[in-house]
Amino acid sequence: TQLLEQSPQFLSIQEGENLTVYCNSSSVFSSLQWYRQEPGEGPVLLVTVVTGGEVKKLKRLTFQFGDARKDSSLHITAAQPGDTGLYLCAGGGQDTDKLIFGTGTRLQVFP
Amino acid sequence: NAGVMQNPRHLVRRRGQEARLRCSPMKGHSHVYWYRQLPEEGLKFMVYLQKENIIDESGMPKERFSAEFPKEGPSILRIQQVVRGDSAAYFCASSALRAENPYNSPLHFGNGTRLTVT
Repeated sequence: TQLLEQSPQFLSIQEGENLTVYCNSSSVFSSLQWYRQEPGEGPVLLVTVVTGGEVKKLKRLTFQFGDARKDSSLHITAAQPGDTGLYLCAGGGQDTDKLIFGTGTRLQVFP
Repeated sequence: NAGVMQNPRHLVRRRGQEARLRCSPMKGHSHVYWYRQLPEEGLKFMVYLQKENIIDESGMPKERFSAEFPKEGPSILRIQQVVRGDSAAYFCASSALRAENPYNSPLHFGNGTRLTVT
């Protein structure tokens, strides 16, 4: 069974702080996607990374795919209250034939 | 609104009743996925369908659960004889056709159906 473990599970920080969320697995994935979910809504895709070692930037968000394509990280610079939500990584391909979602990281940013 | 539409948003059923959850994919999308989410948890894959075909149902319980995606109309997730443990948020997602591996396609999610079994 392929598993994606995210850490930390919960994170509460003040506006302006930096943070990193990790997504780890023992399985190799051909791609890694990151989603954000707000209460009462479905997840919304933030980014897809497909190449080992790839780094993608989306404004204050930086996504990295591990060289071995087993792990990924999301770094947020100068967090804002609008970043509050549940962050989910999801892996697809190679060792799995379905999109597997991580356990999630719930982020709360206080003003 | 051209997004994924799910209805109802909230569904309350007594134990033993049937629950029918509907999902209309984004326009032009022929792949539909159903996921289940418990409070404070991630999404658990249930089933992947294309028009008139079940491609992967490895995440579906063997009993009481079924899914379809007919040629015309929305995809339906049916839960028969519901029990309290079925209470959860059920999300539908759709994606466009990808040549290499459909599971790598970005998913567009609906806002879910929250099922409560009393």
